Amino acid sequence: AQKITQTQPGMFVQEKEAVTLDCTYDTSDQSYGLFWYKQPSSGEMIFLIYQGSYDEQNATEGRYSLNFQKARKSANLVISASQLGDSAMYFCAMREKYSGGGADGLTFGKGTHLIIQP
Amino acid sequence: NAGVTQTPKFQVLKTGQSMTLQCAQDMNHNSMYWYRQDPGMGLRLIYYSASEGTTDKGEVPNGYNVSRLNKREFSLRLESAAPSQTSVYFCASSPSGYVNEQFFGPGTRLTVL
Repeated sequence: AQKITQTQPGMFVQEKEAVTLDCTYDTSDQSYGLFWYKQPSSGEMIFLIYQGSYDEQNATEGRYSLNFQKARKSANLVISASQLGDSAMYFCAMREKYSGGGADGLTFGKGTHLIIQP
Repeated sequence: NAGVTQTPKFQVLKTGQSMTLQCAQDMNHNSMYWYRQDPGMGLRLIYYSASEGTTDKGEVPNGYNVSRLNKREFSLRLESAAPSQTSVYFCASSPSGYVNEQFFGPGTRLTVL
């Protein structure tokens, strides 16, 4: 079973609108971290925001916020007031404290290609 | 601070050739990672090193070897390249612990003919 599921392969959004990128995850660990990364067409991986499993407040970083619903195992990224420069691939990722006995590293979803239209 | 650096940026190999991808970080991080990214996929973990002197397999280790040369450097070796190894390779580093973000290098685009 996939550990990270991003159900939106692509999205078109008008500039200045808010956009929500969906992410659901699967883990039996109680301790884990959820991350969002942005990958523009130039290819680099840019860290956006982090949410810990024990954090009671939703994480925010500037125009980015994370809508964390632990019971639903969802960690959606919200971008407010979208800009043309937000056009990129967006990846949701998880790191588990105990990794279920497996490898220690980030597990990524397949990503959402976001295109902001003027 | 350069962060995480990778060399080379691009490489073309013929099937059966070998090569080593180099990675270095100047952030004094304990943990280092190698990922590959294929079209339409997220990144997948090849190998990681939790600390100097240790390495462990990730999700897709077959066909690769790694060396944690010191705390700064973590190399990935393809002994006999195959077309299935055509991919973009990213190195990353982080402090120890699951709460910490990983910092990524710029990537190496590898084509195996």
